[in-house]
Amino acid sequence: SAVISQKPSRDICQRGTSLTIQCQVDSQVTMMFWYRQQPGQSLTLIATANQGSEATYESGFVIDKFPISRPNLTFSTLTVSNMSPEDSSIYLCSVEAPSNYGYTFGSGTRLTVV
Amino acid sequence: GQQLNQSPQSMFIQEGEDVSMNCTSSSIFNTWLWYKQDPGEGPVLLIALYKAGELTSNGRLTAQFGITRKDSFLNISASIPSDVGIYFCAGQTSGSRLTFGEGTQLTVNP
Repeated sequence: SAVISQKPSRDICQRGTSLTIQCQVDSQVTMMFWYRQQPGQSLTLIATANQGSEATYESGFVIDKFPISRPNLTFSTLTVSNMSPEDSSIYLCSVEAPSNYGYTFGSGTRLTVV
Repeated sequence: GQQLNQSPQSMFIQEGEDVSMNCTSSSIFNTWLWYKQDPGEGPVLLIALYKAGELTSNGRLTAQFGITRKDSFLNISASIPSDVGIYFCAGQTSGSRLTFGEGTQLTVNP
């Protein structure tokens, strides 16, 4: 399956600042997915990132708050903008596994906003 | 939107016991996936199911895709301490996003 490198693995940030999370995949993939996992909760899809087009955001998530870049088929970034304590979560990127066998996840970025 | 009800929310068992957890939905899914998440890690795929009625094993894990396509279960036999973690089901209809269950927190007492 695809290997995903995600960084940073964790960060503590001041409110009002922004953090950019990087996701690197060891193979070319059409779609990359960004999820949020709030403390003790399940995973919620933020957006789908396609190379060469704007990301598609899920209900409740907007581009101004979570801008996404997808410059090529192996890399994507998610920025959490103007952070507040409510943004404290684990952020995960994901890609579809080869042969359509499920989805592979990165190890996540644990964000704490103080 | 689609919702998955996963139960139980948590389980406390003794090493060696068998475990069963399940997910139900009001909607039909074409794919059911079962993941395990360890602390500080992303979810790792355990089993993928693609056909109604399909029963698939992966070592001590067995999962089934319900006949109605609205449910799935995961069984773990002869649990061991490293089975500790959060287990998530996820359902998908063709071409759509994954919908995740709320997770089952498993604790195994040695």
